[in-house]
Amino acid sequence: GAGVSQSPSNKVTEKGKDVELRCDPISGHTALYWYRQSLGQGLEFLIYFQGNSAPDKSGLPSDRFSAERTGGSVSTLTIQRTQQEDSAVYLCASSDRTGKNIQYFGAGTRLSVL
Amino acid sequence: AQSVTQLGSHVSVSEGALVLLRCNYSSSVPPYLFWYVQYPNQGLQLLLKYTTGATLVKGINGFEAEFKKSETSFHLTKPSAHMSDAAEYFCAVSFSGGYNKLIFGAGTRLAVHP
Repeated sequence: GAGVSQSPSNKVTEKGKDVELRCDPISGHTALYWYRQSLGQGLEFLIYFQGNSAPDKSGLPSDRFSAERTGGSVSTLTIQRTQQEDSAVYLCASSDRTGKNIQYFGAGTRLSVL
Repeated sequence: AQSVTQLGSHVSVSEGALVLLRCNYSSSVPPYLFWYVQYPNQGLQLLLKYTTGATLVKGINGFEAEFKKSETSFHLTKPSAHMSDAAEYFCAVSFSGGYNKLIFGAGTRLAVHP
């Protein structure tokens, strides 16, 4: 596609429920990143995928968070047993092979945990 | 470890005035440096980047930034502010080369008044 696409744009859930957030990167981009933007913490790195390499999961805040990337394209970020502190905007980005690490961002998914 | 400091969480300028948003970084290796802009309810849009070469880089919408290694700075400027420049601006750093997470500053909200 023309840009990074994220769905849903907004998600409201109840505490304790699981949620899945989807990211469709720019076609041909081999690297995909997830970030979280919250009032208290700013923009934080969560996880990134690059080709067939093992993902860098160093930013995931707890084992309730996981992500996968199927077929080297679409990625899903899953949050299990959501807590109110998970409320944030989750941003996805992708970058290409040029090695300049220029990341293009989607519009984000705004998650509200009630 | 890498880090980014943006001086001033809020900056207010008059339309037509100089815009100066400050960014200082800490990095043990040659960094890649970026400025992103975020308009309300939107994702991050790349304004400009420094990877290698010329230290004065020009971006979109009339913005430019200068990489000063001796000062570990990458300040963003625009000679004449426009009302449409009102947004939040983020400075970010990554390790040079390849695919790497971005480390963001806390952001500076720019207000432009008539």
